[in-house]
Amino acid sequence: GAGVSQSPRYKVAKRGQDVALRCDPISGHVSLFWYQQALGQGPEFLTYFQNEAQLDKSGLPSDRFFAERPEGSVSTLKIQRTQQEDSAVYLCASSLGARGYEQYFGPGTRLTVT
Amino acid sequence: AQSVTQLGSHVSVSEGALVLLRCNYSSSVPPYLFWYVQYPNQGLQLLLKYTTGATLVKGINGFEAEFKKSETSFHLTKPSAHMSDAAEYFCAVSSNDYKLSFGAGTTVTVRA
Repeated sequence: GAGVSQSPRYKVAKRGQDVALRCDPISGHVSLFWYQQALGQGPEFLTYFQNEAQLDKSGLPSDRFFAERPEGSVSTLKIQRTQQEDSAVYLCASSLGARGYEQYFGPGTRLTVT
Repeated sequence: AQSVTQLGSHVSVSEGALVLLRCNYSSSVPPYLFWYVQYPNQGLQLLLKYTTGATLVKGINGFEAEFKKSETSFHLTKPSAHMSDAAEYFCAVSSNDYKLSFGAGTTVTVRA
């Protein structure tokens, strides 16, 4: 069956531009997660949705980062006024239930800010 | 708060040899522990997980890991490496129901 998909796979933005990264979770999955993976590092948690409710956004690095999941399926991670330190791979994951014991990851979006 | 330390950022093994990847964690509450594998340009794939019960956990592709509370460890092993095991491996811990904290990863190279 279809897994988690993310688009675009690669994004180059000039410093100061806004970007929007999309995540299509596995159909029917209640929970959705965003992680940021810097080069040579493990993923770091950004935010967590249960259906359309954003239950934890403690990992968002600044108020330039915003995530939404308005209908409880597709999610968008928006970064305003991008900075070079935002360059990373952004991973989306989903899990079937309210708990994230088995998170299924998408391939990620590699963001490069020049 | 929890954290994960993976000893060795790179491991090289011969085909057919034992694969051993080390993971130590810190957690203020009983943890849930995970190993993920990441192939180039792909997302992370769950290899195995420990939540409760038996401390020796078997996963996909012949991997297994043992939870040792006294050592705060969750090392990953595979008796015989295959070329297809070349990838990056991440250990992760969760002390709640959802937020994963990952180690920095270990890249495995398999020599023919």
